Amino acid sequence: AQSVTQLGSHVSVSEGALVLLRCNYSSSVPPYLFWYVQYPNQGLQLLLKYTSAATLVKGINGFEAEFKKSETSFHLTKPSAHMSDAAEYFCAVSAQGYQKVTFGIGTKLQVIP
Amino acid sequence: GAVVSQHPSRVICKSGTSVKIECRSLDFQATTMFWYRQFPKQSLMLMATSNEGSKATYEQGVEKDKFLINHASLTLSTLTVTSAHPEDSSFYICSADSGGTEAFFGQGTRLTVV
Repeated sequence: AQSVTQLGSHVSVSEGALVLLRCNYSSSVPPYLFWYVQYPNQGLQLLLKYTSAATLVKGINGFEAEFKKSETSFHLTKPSAHMSDAAEYFCAVSAQGYQKVTFGIGTKLQVIP
Repeated sequence: GAVVSQHPSRVICKSGTSVKIECRSLDFQATTMFWYRQFPKQSLMLMATSNEGSKATYEQGVEKDKFLINHASLTLSTLTVTSAHPEDSSFYICSADSGGTEAFFGQGTRLTVV
């Protein structure tokens, strides 16, 4: 079984500031980890994924995440927030390749001008 | 990347009627598709796994007679919400397993039952 915990359902940052969205996972087998972004009234867009290769994963829109097995974490970061980054972000885990993804509760990111 | 098309994007229906949502993989074959539901301000919850040519596998607590899933071809899975009620109003989203590096998600369907 697998699960995801996202710390902080709402995060506010100033434009230009560092974005840090936290995610911890639990999995009985080596996990695949994902970050998705959802804009209002839209579907999911994959930001990045970890699939047991490099532990530092770079994604779209300047986001990256680091897989830390010892901490069971997969935090999402971006050096400088843009207004367009305001959205909801979901961390997800899969223990079966790319099937049956289990999502965290989501973190809504607000970017303050 | 691969494209999954979900239709309709929004639907409003009267209570007691049925609504069909389609999920199509446009440029790849998907033997397995997944249906999720997202309640307001909550995460996505897996409802069922749809396998081409066989019966869907439903997660615990999901009524299979209410949420009918058909995966008749390698590119199409449908979810029919039967006898819809206001509490079925939600955001439904599908994903398709490409057999490659990720499962691709449709854009979702906002269902409102009035």
